[in-house]
Amino acid sequence: DTGVSQDPRHKITKRGQNVTFRCDPISEHNRLYWYRQTLGQGPEFLTYFQNEAQLEKSRLLSDRFSAERPKGSFSTLEIQRTEQGDSAMYLCASSFVATNTGELFFGEGSRLTVL
Amino acid sequence: DAKTTQPNSMESNEEEPVHLPCNHSTISGTDYIHWYRQLPSQGPEYVIHGLTSNVNNRMASLAIAEDRKSSTLILHRATLRDAAVYYCILSGSGGSNYKLTFGKGTLLTVNP
Repeated sequence: DTGVSQDPRHKITKRGQNVTFRCDPISEHNRLYWYRQTLGQGPEFLTYFQNEAQLEKSRLLSDRFSAERPKGSFSTLEIQRTEQGDSAMYLCASSFVATNTGELFFGEGSRLTVL
Repeated sequence: DAKTTQPNSMESNEEEPVHLPCNHSTISGTDYIHWYRQLPSQGPEYVIHGLTSNVNNRMASLAIAEDRKSSTLILHRATLRDAAVYYCILSGSGGSNYKLTFGKGTLLTVNP
């Protein structure tokens, strides 16, 4: 399967713990995006990378959130000192910037539940 | 960002056409119109996009009004697998597609 893969698919944690999500984009894609989705809402943009450079972060991304893409391939999203409000689906997407198709390829998401 | 307005929900019968409307009266001249859909427990999936002319692909057709203030996603023969939330999104051309701003979309129910 050459789609976007995310790991883990589900994570249950206690408030105050740190969690990390991993995203492996489609191999030739140079852009990688993180979105967050809560129940009944559409996905909200968090941040994106072009190759290894993080080019924009949403105001939604508090200081407890950090994302990396060290070699321009896979990315990690870490949430420190989790809060119940962090419970959501975290979606990763990738695209190839040189094309103008407007198509983002999304993974199936990592669902976080903070108890 | 220019906003879109979609009905909260729509219902269709299997094997019948479905027309999903979207209003975007504040669209700018360079905004593309994108449609994505999200099946239950999955990430969003690209459906189609266009700028001014109507577009067709294997999944759907996109009809864009002449003044570009509205558009319609057309599923020619709905199947049960088309039951999903459909999002109509505006974005700048090519390189700025990173900031797709999703609304709540339209929940499409397909009856057997």
